[in-house]
Amino acid sequence: ETGVTQTPRHLVMGMTNKKSLKCEQHLGHNAMYWYKQSAKKPLELMFVYSLEERVENNSVPSRFSPECPNSSHLFLHLHTLQPEDSALYLCASSQEEGRGQPQHFGDGTRLSIL
Amino acid sequence: GENVEQHPSTLSVQEGDSAVIKCTYSDSASNYFPWYKQELGKGPQLIIDIRSNVGEKKDQRIAVTLNKTAKHFSLHITETQPEDSAVYFCAASILTGGGNKLTFGTGTQLKVEL
Repeated sequence: ETGVTQTPRHLVMGMTNKKSLKCEQHLGHNAMYWYKQSAKKPLELMFVYSLEERVENNSVPSRFSPECPNSSHLFLHLHTLQPEDSALYLCASSQEEGRGQPQHFGDGTRLSIL
Repeated sequence: GENVEQHPSTLSVQEGDSAVIKCTYSDSASNYFPWYKQELGKGPQLIIDIRSNVGEKKDQRIAVTLNKTAKHFSLHITETQPEDSAVYFCAASILTGGGNKLTFGTGTQLKVEL
C-alpha cells in the first residue's frame, strides 16, 4: 500500500477514444504530479499541481488534459492519442512546505494505444 | 534545464557484494537528490535522499554521497541481497515552493545473483 492509488492499472484504447486516468492520495499531501515512463527513457514530468493550482506544464500535447478538483484527487483526461503515447503513467504526491518533501508514487496505469 | 546522467545502465553483482551507481547533474543550483527503487509492476519507491548541505547520508545498507563541486552523487548498497534486484533511479531538483520538479536519470537495472 503506497498511499497513492491509481486506476485503472491497465488501459487499452483506440486512437479516437476518450478516457481518463485517476489518482487518489491518502497522505494528506498538497502537491500532485503526473509522469510518463517509457522504456529506455527517464521519467518525464508532465504536470505539477500545488495547492490545486497547475504550476508546471512541460510542453505536453493538448491531447493530455489534467484536472485537480481537490488536493487528494488528480485526473488525466486522454483524447485522440497516438501510438507513441503508449507508456506507464505515474502519479505522485508530496507535501509542499517550501523546502521540498519526498514524492510518493502510485503503481501507475499501463496505457496501450491501438 | 537540468540534465541528469546515470551509469551504469545495468549492473550485476554477487550476493553479499557491494553495488555502486553514479549520477551527474548539470545545474549547479540543484540542491535535492533522491534515489528511487522500482520493482516490476510497481511505482518508484524512495529509498534515500540527500540535500546539498550534506556530503553523505547512510541508512543501514544504503548510503548516498554528494560531491557538489564535481556535480555528481552516488548510491552505495552494501551486502547486497536478491531482494535488492530492481531498477534504481537517481533524480535532482531545486527546492522551491510550488512543487518539487524532479529530473530523473535513465535508471540502472541491478541484478543480485545467488
